[in-house]
Amino acid sequence: NAGVTQTPKFQVLKTGQSMTLQCAQDMNHEYMSWYRQDPGMGLRLIHYSVGAGITDQGEVPNGYNVSRSTTEDFPLRLLSAAPSQTSVYFCASSYSRGIGGSYNSPLHFGNGTRLTVT
Amino acid sequence: GQQLNQSPQSMFIQEGEDVSMNCTSSSIFNTWLWYKQEPGEGPVLLIALYKAGELTSNGRLTAQFGITRKDSFLNISASIPSDVGIYFCAGQLYPSGAGNNRKLIWGLGTSLAVNP
Repeated sequence: NAGVTQTPKFQVLKTGQSMTLQCAQDMNHEYMSWYRQDPGMGLRLIHYSVGAGITDQGEVPNGYNVSRSTTEDFPLRLLSAAPSQTSVYFCASSYSRGIGGSYNSPLHFGNGTRLTVT
Repeated sequence: GQQLNQSPQSMFIQEGEDVSMNCTSSSIFNTWLWYKQEPGEGPVLLIALYKAGELTSNGRLTAQFGITRKDSFLNISASIPSDVGIYFCAGQLYPSGAGNNRKLIWGLGTSLAVNP
């Protein structure tokens, strides 16, 4: 049981390049999400998904796309990287959708992807 | 929007000392969570609180869900060097309807340094 696995661990991009940050979980969690962490800003939600085929925007979605074709995977795509997207990105998952289900299912985080855009 | 005020922002203490940090909000939450983040890793859940007034311990850690539902504190007793890290609080509302159920409101963290 690997938990939440993020790849790559580090990435450097040039402005305008695109890339995909990978996230996979093996806990059969319905809920998956992407956060970015910046100094002094805390954790900010980018996108989230409550199940395969369902995605929604968080508080800072601009410049990012997501899809959820399987329960296990939730990739984050940067369409055209900008220096403002330099950050540490965390994927997190939990069992419950929260819709009528158990609320006793806090988030499990991956170890992050450190992205630098030059 | 909703915000959590987490304090102190940072602490530098001697090994063996007790530590206390707290989070307050103008909003009412149904869940309070405390996470710890070590360098190069993602946050790891320490304690989850689901009822107002609830007091929960996890080893040397104790957290409480405030009676007003607008605050929570985390105490660490007899600190040790491996307690070093950033501690985050997070609060969660359960609004009716779909979609927004799992959005957590995060504090900005308390950075803890322990001098051996």
